[in-house]
Amino acid sequence: QKEVEQNSGPLSVPEGAIASLNCTYSDRVSQSFFWYRQYSGKSPELIMSIYSNGDKEDGRFTAQLNKASQYVSLLIRDSQPSDSATYLCAVKVLEYGNKLVFGAGTILRVKS
Amino acid sequence: KAGVTQTPRYLIKTRGQQVTLSCSPISGHRSVSWYQQTPGQGLQFLFEYFSETQRNKGNFPGRFSGRQFSNSRSEMNVSTLELGDSALYLCASSLGQMSSYEQYFGPGTRLTVT
Repeated sequence: QKEVEQNSGPLSVPEGAIASLNCTYSDRVSQSFFWYRQYSGKSPELIMSIYSNGDKEDGRFTAQLNKASQYVSLLIRDSQPSDSATYLCAVKVLEYGNKLVFGAGTILRVKS
Repeated sequence: KAGVTQTPRYLIKTRGQQVTLSCSPISGHRSVSWYQQTPGQGLQFLFEYFSETQRNKGNFPGRFSGRQFSNSRSEMNVSTLELGDSALYLCASSLGQMSSYEQYFGPGTRLTVT
């Protein structure tokens, strides 16, 4: 079983819609959760971090964490064509210091 | 504040050669982690350095090594290159080792082994 799983997509949404990206993880002692956005040919860019159960909002982005279900999601409201990218979910386990375990990423395509 | 910088950005090497990649973290950041990204395996953790000491290591052969200097700059070395080492090598810096500290990636070094 993979440690961090994401649907590879592509997830296609029309411009202005809400894009919902999901991620599940297997390690119950996972402490910190991150969403990165990666454009083709570029390096990952941190867009959200979340550490406790519930929702965390930042502009058009909302991260949701449910540790009991081992589930973290990212909602993008009012999706724009510029949001088209690969979204990577990453999990950090305290005992491994700064090691991030990444999912394979979900390709998001926003159609104008 | 300047971001993470990596040099060189592109590199072409031949099988059997060795290569050294360099990473300068964000000013004030003391932890540097290295990752390998390939289309088949995705992003995989290589190792982390904090206070000039390797703190964590991923599942890579001993041909992959690194070090960190007193100014937090880090280098990664790959010896006896293999075709499968062709990848994007990413460096990420963080303030420290607390779980809540975020990691910021540099632009990466694209290594091609022929």
